[in-house]
Amino acid sequence: DAGITQSPRHKVTETGTPVTLRCHQTENHRYMYWYRQDPGHGLRLIHYSYGVKDTDKGEVSDGYSVSRSKTEDFLLTLESATSSQTSVYFCAISPTGDVQPQHFGDGTRLSIL
Amino acid sequence: SQQGEEDPQALSIQEGENATMNCSYKTSINNLQWYRQNSGRGLVHLILIRSNEREKHSGRLRVTLDTSKKSSSLLITASRAADTASYFCATVLNAGNNRKLIWGLGTSLAVNP
Repeated sequence: DAGITQSPRHKVTETGTPVTLRCHQTENHRYMYWYRQDPGHGLRLIHYSYGVKDTDKGEVSDGYSVSRSKTEDFLLTLESATSSQTSVYFCAISPTGDVQPQHFGDGTRLSIL
Repeated sequence: SQQGEEDPQALSIQEGENATMNCSYKTSINNLQWYRQNSGRGLVHLILIRSNEREKHSGRLRVTLDTSKKSSSLLITASRAADTASYFCATVLNAGNNRKLIWGLGTSLAVNP
């Protein structure tokens, strides 16, 4: 498996609280992605990064922010969590962008009550 | 709507049988990728097929691509219980510099011992 670690693996929190999910890679890949996976919707891209401090929005970016201060770490923050953000969140990495396969972490299951 | 749509949504077969899953898409692509997801895990890349390729093999996996019909199929031969998983196709469109993966909703495969 590619060296991708997501933390935490599970989290339960309350509406209105801030939440930060971490993705750490040891592959030195340039591209990193955050997805959410929900029944009936498949995988949806939240944000992605194409280098340190270089990020862009995906299709469902509202309510989420990201930061990448080091090549190996990509953080996803929910500033004020809502119940609609209950989901499984996956981080993925790719060496050269979307024409190449992505390698995924094992996900974070986030429940917002 | 999703670019890639898998068919069937669910498939149940006996060990030793072949499993075929199909993926249809709507617009011109650069490549099409197939991934597997075991329960509670991240997605794992299986095969990438480029738009100028018609067929690729990897072990017991065979992928075909028909760009005239905008469709691809994944064949798993001599299936095993360990092949039980969800299978996703993802397409990379031709347009733009930041080419993103567009995901289908997946086919859930159950291989019964």
